[in-house]
Amino acid sequence: GQNIDQPTEMTATEGAIVQINCTYQTSGFNGLFWYQQHAGEAPTFLSYNVLDGLEEKGRFSSFLSRSKGYSYLLLKELQMKDSASYLCAVLTGGGNKLTFGTGTQLKVEL
Amino acid sequence: GAGVSQSPRYKVAKRGQDVALRCDPISGHVSLFWYQQALGQGPEFLTYFQNEAQLDKSGLPSDRFFAERPEGSVSTLKIQRTQQEDSAVYLCASSEVSGNYGYTFGSGTRLTVV
Repeated sequence: GQNIDQPTEMTATEGAIVQINCTYQTSGFNGLFWYQQHAGEAPTFLSYNVLDGLEEKGRFSSFLSRSKGYSYLLLKELQMKDSASYLCAVLTGGGNKLTFGTGTQLKVEL
Repeated sequence: GAGVSQSPRYKVAKRGQDVALRCDPISGHVSLFWYQQALGQGPEFLTYFQNEAQLDKSGLPSDRFFAERPEGSVSTLKIQRTQQEDSAVYLCASSEVSGNYGYTFGSGTRLTVV
């Protein structure tokens, strides 16, 4: 079966850095995605990792270790608008199916 | 179109009623996916199309759920004899080829069964 774990909730301060962890055990692996989802809205793509290492894109970075089944999303210089759910998802099924974790609800406070 | 469009945005159905949810993917996107998202949870896979072919329907929770994409573009998810546990947001996503390029999601249809 597929198992993707991430914390349910996190709270951080505006301007700070936060790291959201994700561990996975899946049958097959074709890459790992992070999505951001504001309440009542569609998930939007943040990052994609298929090789080990760090991918940086502006204030957001994502890291992958395939041998450990582990990824994290790093958000820097937090802004109030970053308050949202962050979804970790693994691509399986020959590259055709995204399996999602339950999401981490991030609250950014003043 | 510019994005994935879903309609209706909200649907309230009486228990036992049939509903049909529509998805217009991005023009030219070969792959189309349906997901179900319960409140406070991540999206759960329902079914996948490549053009008009339904290649994976392993996530459909019961035979009351049926999806089609007859011309390889617009897709419809139909739920027969709705039950309260069907209440959720139904998300549609499309991608160019396989999911390696990431999905573009629609805003979803929020179904409430009363």
